[in-house]
Amino acid sequence: NAGVTQTPKFQVLKTGQSMTLQCAQDMNHNSMYWYRQDPGMGLRLIYYSASEGTTDKGEVPNGYNVSRLNKREFSLRLESAAPSQTSVYFCASSETGTGEGYTFGSGTRLTVV
Amino acid sequence: DQQVKQNSPSLSVQEGRISILNCDYTNSMFDYFLWYKKYPAEGPTFLISISSIKDKNEDGRFTVFLNKSAKHLSLHIVPSQPGDSAVYFCAASGRGGNEKLTFGTGTRLTIIP
Repeated sequence: NAGVTQTPKFQVLKTGQSMTLQCAQDMNHNSMYWYRQDPGMGLRLIYYSASEGTTDKGEVPNGYNVSRLNKREFSLRLESAAPSQTSVYFCASSETGTGEGYTFGSGTRLTVV
Repeated sequence: DQQVKQNSPSLSVQEGRISILNCDYTNSMFDYFLWYKKYPAEGPTFLISISSIKDKNEDGRFTVFLNKSAKHLSLHIVPSQPGDSAVYFCAASGRGGNEKLTFGTGTRLTIIP
């Protein structure tokens, strides 16, 4: 099925460990996004990529890095995980702009202990 | 600074009655507004949108109203059904929807059978 695929779905990390969250879309969308969802905070943008080869910081980029590997894939890396990064992470893609066109993955639930 | 606010974290409504979800925004550059619906363990999905050139948009049981002077929008669901139980996120964008989305904090709607 066409859509956005995120891996893994669940992950537990120890403080200081690193990991990469993977995201791939098969809709030929130009733009891709990483959001985090926290109770009472809604969805906050971490990083986005308007097109292949470009990335920009969002609202809460500290502690994260991203790579737009190609048009399909956009990964999010935590170099040294902290408990404050415990959250649910969503990847999304869209045609450039067009809010209706945001297609979200099913999320990665990350716990940092 | 939360630019999009949903002041009711939760709402319970009897099946068949009207559900009204509210959203306020502070950024006057926002000119395109959307509602997304999210079920547990899934990513958000697009529900309905409205441009600032309109004050109402209707799609079946869902209607969104926009009051630009008050910087306020609302989502009406009539009649409410059990399948409407979900978290609803308000989102806003600039440049006619061609900028990345800013999300609100979400409202959990529970429909009581």
